[in-house]
Amino acid sequence: NAGVTQTPKFQVLKTGQSMTLQCAQDMNHEYMSWYRQDPGMGLRLIHYSVGAGITDQGEVPNGYNVSRSTTEDFPLRLLSAAPSQTSVYFCASRERDTQYFGPGTRLTVL
Amino acid sequence: SQQGEEDPQALSIQEGENATMNCSYKTSINNLQWYRQNSGRGLVHLILIRSNEREKHSGRLRVTLDTSKKSSSLLITASRAADTASYFCATADRGSTLGRLYFGRGTQLTVWP
Repeated sequence: NAGVTQTPKFQVLKTGQSMTLQCAQDMNHEYMSWYRQDPGMGLRLIHYSVGAGITDQGEVPNGYNVSRSTTEDFPLRLLSAAPSQTSVYFCASRERDTQYFGPGTRLTVL
Repeated sequence: SQQGEEDPQALSIQEGENATMNCSYKTSINNLQWYRQNSGRGLVHLILIRSNEREKHSGRLRVTLDTSKKSSSLLITASRAADTASYFCATADRGSTLGRLYFGRGTQLTVWP
């Protein structure tokens, strides 16, 4: 199993650009989530999904959209990038109480 | 917020020594988990302790939970240079059926050879 995969690993955007961060898992987990990690901070939950077609907001959802058309994929969309969205983004899937994290996407917004 | 808070923020020890990290949280929990993050990598689950458990072991890891004090500790015995990483506690809200996790800011552990 590949586990949780994320693409791209690195991305630089200009303010106002849009992009989609990809996340996929091959463990057939229903629960998936997106976090952002900023220096000196813990992980903050952006959006999560409890199954295909079901998503909900986390702690810091503004500026981000998600969808869940399949169990495997959970993309995160930045509609109009802002410098405040410079961060490292982690996708995770969950089995019972344990979360499995992807390797992260380092995003810089200029 | 129920976010856990780790203490200390940074810990530096020699190989072979024990490392102890603490986590405090604010509200009732279903479970508390510890994760490790190596530099530039994603988080890796280490161990989970449920609210009705007081101590749990996994290899060189020992976790304790004191729900009356709303605190937990992670002990790594006989530390190795490879244990150098950030360690995060995460709590699962008792009131949430969705099992959302709230992470602390982490403890940066450095183990010197």
